[in-house]
Amino acid sequence: RKEVEQDPGPFNVPEGATVAFNCTYSNSASQSFFWYRQDCRKEPKLLMSVYSSGNEDGRFTAQLNRASQYISLLIRDSKLSDSATYLCVVFNAGNNRKLIWGLGTSLAVNP
Amino acid sequence: EPEVTQTPSHQVTQMGQEVILRCVPISNHLYFYWYRQILGQKVEFLVSFYNNEISEKSEIFDDQFSVERPDGSNFTLKIRSTKLEDSAMYFCASSESAGARTGELFFGEGSRLTVL
Repeated sequence: RKEVEQDPGPFNVPEGATVAFNCTYSNSASQSFFWYRQDCRKEPKLLMSVYSSGNEDGRFTAQLNRASQYISLLIRDSKLSDSATYLCVVFNAGNNRKLIWGLGTSLAVNP
Repeated sequence: EPEVTQTPSHQVTQMGQEVILRCVPISNHLYFYWYRQILGQKVEFLVSFYNNEISEKSEIFDDQFSVERPDGSNFTLKIRSTKLEDSAMYFCASSESAGARTGELFFGEGSRLTVL
C-alpha cells in the first residue's frame, strides 16, 4: 500500500458543482495533514491544514477520519478558477520525520 | 505579502556541468527545504535545513548534491555534475515552525533545470 494515495482523476465537473476528494494514508501514527493546490507548472500552495475536528474555509471543507485513515476535501459551488491539482500531504513524526506527498488529484471545472 | 524567491527561473546546462540554484526564503522563517518535481510526477523531497545544517535528506540527495546558506539570506542547492535525470523543476520552500504545523510550507515559483 502506498504511503499516501489519491485518485489521480481527472475529475471533470460543471461550474457550481460540489466535488469531493479522498486521500488515504498508510501510517496510523501520522500526525498532521494538509491539502495543497498546484496549478499547471506552478509551485504547490497550501490550501488548508486538516484538523482533527474538521475545518472549513469558505467553500472548502476538510475532514480527517483517523479510524479509516483518510482525509477528504470538499469543494462547494466550484469555480473555473478551482481547476488545479490537489495534493494531499501527510506529516509523520517520530524517528523518521517526513512529509509524504500524494501524487495529486486533477480537477477541471468546466463552464 | 512575503514570498520565497528563486533564481534562475530556467537553466539549461550540459550533462556533467555544475549548477547552483538560489533561493531567498521568507525572512523570519527558520526551516528551509528543497524539493523537485519531474514533469508529470509527484513532488519529491530532497533536503531540509535548520540552524545552519541539514536536518534531513532523502535518498535522492546523494553526494552530487549540496546545500548552503552562505550569507544568512540565500539558500542554495548545488548539483556538482548534472545528469540527464536531474532535469526537473526544483522548488525551494520555507516554514516558520516545526511540530504539528510542520507541513505548512511556502514555496518559491521554482527553477526549471534542463540537462542536455
